[in-house]
Formats: sequence, C-alpha cells, structure tokens
Amino acid sequence: DAGITQSPRHKVTETGTPVTLRCHQTENHRYMYWYRQDPGHGLRLIHYSYGVKDTDKGEVSDGYSVSRSKTEDFLLTLESATSSQTSVYFCAISDLGGGARDEQFFGPGTRLTVL
Amino acid sequence: KNEVEQSPQNLTAQEGEFITINCSYSVGISALHWLQQHPGGGIVSLFMLSSGKKKHGRLIATINIQEKHSSLHITASHPRDSAVYICAVESGGSNYKLTFGKGTLLTVNP
Repeated sequence: DAGITQSPRHKVTETGTPVTLRCHQTENHRYMYWYRQDPGHGLRLIHYSYGVKDTDKGEVSDGYSVSRSKTEDFLLTLESATSSQTSVYFCAISDLGGGARDEQFFGPGTRLTVL
Repeated sequence: KNEVEQSPQNLTAQEGEFITINCSYSVGISALHWLQQHPGGGIVSLFMLSSGKKKHGRLIATINIQEKHSSLHITASHPRDSAVYICAVESGGSNYKLTFGKGTLLTVNP
C-alpha cells in the first residue's frame, strides 16, 4: 500500500470555526490532490498540488485553501466552516513512475461534520 | 468540462455471474481510471488505461477511444466484489486531474 495518511480521521466542528486537514505521504510523489465525496455527486476535486508551493484550484474550491510547504504534506484549510462542507474528504497522490503516468493512490479519508 | 456517465447506477447479481459496468465520457481523454470503494472504506485504483484492454485476475477493463466508452467486467463474481465501482477520466495536459462518474453500486449475493 502507498504510504499516505490523513489526519484527523473524524472531526465534528461548529459553523464558523477554522478547520485544517492534513495529508501526509512517504512516497515522495510530486502530485497531491484533495477531493470531497458527497452522495449524489461522487468525488470532486477541491485543490491540487503539482510541486512544493505549487497549487491550483479544482472544480469546488470556494471556501477552501491549501498549502504545501514540503513534498510530504498537503494541508486543506476551511477558513470558516459551513454546514455545506460536511463531507468525506480524500487525499490522493500520484507521480511519474518509470516514464509512465502512475495511478492515483488514495488516503483513508476524513469524515468532517459541521454543525 | 468532461461529463462522465456510468451505468447502471445499481447492480445486483448472483455469485458466479458475469458483470459489466459501463462508462462513457464526453470529451477526448488521455487516460481512464477504474476505482473500487468498499462500504465505509477507502478507494483503491483497479486500472488505468488509455487504449485497448487490461486484465487483473477476474477483472477486465476495456476502452474504445473513438466511441468514448469503457467497460469494466468481472468474471465469476463473488460476494467480496460487492463495492462501488467508480470511473474517472483524465484530460490531456491537466496535471493528471480526474473527473469522476458517480459510481455503480454492485451487490453480489451468495
């Protein structure tokens, strides 16, 4: 299994509070992604990173920010959590392996509830 | 934006049956992924393909680039195959970003 962890695994918070989710990898992969998974919508990309300090928005980036100060860590921050951000959040990593594109490896997910 | 449609949304089968899940997309792609997610669980990559066919054990994935269509087949299905199967496409030059279908829930009864 790819070395990818997420913390916390579960979190309950209140509307208006800041929340930071952490994704940590030990694979030295270049690309890291944050997705949210909601019933009826499937997985949707929030933000992604293509290198240290290099990030870009996905399709549902409003209300979220990210940072990547080192290869192994990709942080997702909800500056002021809202109930619509209640979701399961997955981190994923990928890289160019042996000249061919690699698959994406997913973390175990973080279940976030905003009350 | 690429639209990814999967069919069927739900599928119930008896152990041993041959299963087919379909995926179609609207815009040309550089690769297509099939993923598996067990209930309450993590997501595992099954296949990544850009042409032809791939096989892992009882699972076979095919893609027809001209028709913008892919199929995932499971031979001799087993209850442990019960999961959500997700199709995702990667558009060229996209930093390998994926657009996902909504998934197909497969239940295999003993």
